[in-house]
Amino acid sequence: GAGVSQSPRYKVAKRGQDVALRCDPISGHVSLFWYQQALGQGPEFLTYFQNEAQLDKSGLPSDRFFAERPEGSVSTLKIQRTQQEDSAVYLCASSLAGTNNEQFFGPGTRLTVL
Amino acid sequence: RKEVEQDPGPFNVPEGATVAFNCTYSNSASQSFFWYRQDCRKEPKLLMSVYSSGNEDGRFTAQLNRASQYISLLIRDSKLSDSATYLCAVNGGSNYQLIWGAGTKLIIKP
Repeated sequence: GAGVSQSPRYKVAKRGQDVALRCDPISGHVSLFWYQQALGQGPEFLTYFQNEAQLDKSGLPSDRFFAERPEGSVSTLKIQRTQQEDSAVYLCASSLAGTNNEQFFGPGTRLTVL
Repeated sequence: RKEVEQDPGPFNVPEGATVAFNCTYSNSASQSFFWYRQDCRKEPKLLMSVYSSGNEDGRFTAQLNRASQYISLLIRDSKLSDSATYLCAVNGGSNYQLIWGAGTKLIIKP
């Protein structure tokens, strides 16, 4: 389909493992956002890319979190040395440009850290 | 105080009734406002953008009150399929961030 896709859909990691979450945005969308959503909460902003440039990473909770979008399309969110508090749904969204346009979300990756 | 606040509910409403929720925001410089709908274990999907003049889409009406810093969503003639969590989103201090409320859960009962 033409929507945002994310993989894997589910990931179980042992505490201390590294994980990599992938996002394929809608083709032609300049803006890409990563969010973390805990149960019963709204999405929490992690980071924003405009094409390949990471313009805002102020929401990343620690230096264990790293995101990249090297060619301005696919993005990867990497979490090193996972902790139990990292357990959440990680949502990726893309939009034509910035925050004034509708954001289209992927189905999310549900991460469980044991 | 959170930057964007919503009553978590749940709102239990009979089918056919009218229901309204509000969402308050703290940043007076915010310019973009949205209502999203999120079904259980699914991703958020845009319901409506909220314009200064208000906007209506079928049974749904969204309004912005800048003076009191809140947006509202009104659902008329509610359907069972309207049961979901309704999230509001407001652009924040940076040009790149949408700040989200925790959502209001709506349950429509037959």
